[in-house]
Formats: sequence, structure tokens, C-alpha cells
Amino acid sequence: GEDVEQSLFLSVREGDSSVINCTYTDSSSTYLYWYKQEPGAGLQLLTYIFSNMDMKQDQRLTVLLNKKDKHLSLRIADTQTGDSAIYFCAESIRSNYQLIWGAGTKLIIKP
Amino acid sequence: DTEVTQTPKHLVMGMTNKKSLKCEQHMGHRAMYWYKQKAKKPPELMFVYSYEKLSINESVPSRFSPECPNSSLLNLHLHALQPEDSALYLCASSQDTSYGYTFGSGTRLTVV
Repeated sequence: GEDVEQSLFLSVREGDSSVINCTYTDSSSTYLYWYKQEPGAGLQLLTYIFSNMDMKQDQRLTVLLNKKDKHLSLRIADTQTGDSAIYFCAESIRSNYQLIWGAGTKLIIKP
Repeated sequence: DTEVTQTPKHLVMGMTNKKSLKCEQHMGHRAMYWYKQKAKKPPELMFVYSYEKLSINESVPSRFSPECPNSSLLNLHLHALQPEDSALYLCASSQDTSYGYTFGSGTRLTVV
């Protein structure tokens, strides 16, 4: 079945780059998404990438997609304390309203 | 308006109570969703409405009853809940399946 995997924690120093990784199993993915959830808040769509793209950049965020390895990454440049949150990777498959979610990566910022 | 608005933000209810969660969006999105999220876990899909019709019910117990009165509103009626139903309930909407969902900030539900 479909599966999305992420490591549970990432710790980085303020000002460094953060790279959050995600692997997925379903090769029929159409879109892949990164959502951010701050404590006590809802989910914020950060960015998404279509499955026929390799890279997408949006200000401090860079998404890289390796379709051969089914690997997705989110790079946050110049990580700030406000980036502290849980980051969820998710994929949509075919024409389906359902998303397959990763377990979420908690980003911890060290001063 | 690019938001999904959920009310109330917090709700405490007893196991014999009946309450409703409300969700509203004015982005013209034709799909609306209810998700349940436990602490530090990914959200779990409960229901999907597409063009005001229920299209997906993920085997949710009947004590949760969704309703879509019109294309902008989505309700979740709660009755005879259990303490294990305590969670963050998130509403979301999307234009179609392609561009991701817009989530509300959720209702934090505690069943006592």
C-alpha cells in the first residue's frame, strides 16, 4: 500500500539551513506537499510540487524531488526560531481527494 | 477571503451531550473535509464532501454525523462521544485534488 516516511526530529542551529526528508512508495503520486504545524495551530500549506518537476523554490524554501528514489526534501535557508514546528510531507495519488501523510518531523531550533 | 474558519476553538463536552462543530469557507472550494488529529500525529481523514455530497466516509462511528448545508458550510454533529474522541478536529477545503488543502485552525475537543 501507499506509505510516506519521515524522520521524527531534526535539530539545527539558528541561521543554518534545515533539510527535512521524506520518502514515499507510490509511483503514481501526482502532487507532493509540505505542511507546517505550529503548536496548538492548524496545518499551513507551505509549498507543493507536481510529480513531473525536480525542484521548486519559494523565497527561503527549496523543494527537491527525486522521482527515481521516491525522495522529497524541504530545505529551509537561514532557519529562524519562527520555523520551529512539525513539518508534514503528504502525497496525493491519482484523482483522489485523499492525502497520504508522513508522521511529521519536529524541527528544533538551537540558539 | 483565503481562510477556513472553524468554531468553536475549544469545546468541552460530557459523554451524554450533543454539540456541533462548524466550518466555513468563502473561496469557492467545492471539496470540504473533516480530519481528526491526535497530539503529535498526522491528521486522519474522517469525511469528504464533494459538491455538497458526501463522497468519502472513512468508517467513522455514527456518533459523528457530518452535514453540508451549502457549498460554504460544513458541520460535524457530535453525540454520545467517548473520552478517546478527544482530539483536534480540523476542517479543510480544496478547489480540486491538485493544489492541496486549506486548513482551518481547528476545534480542540475534550470529552469528559
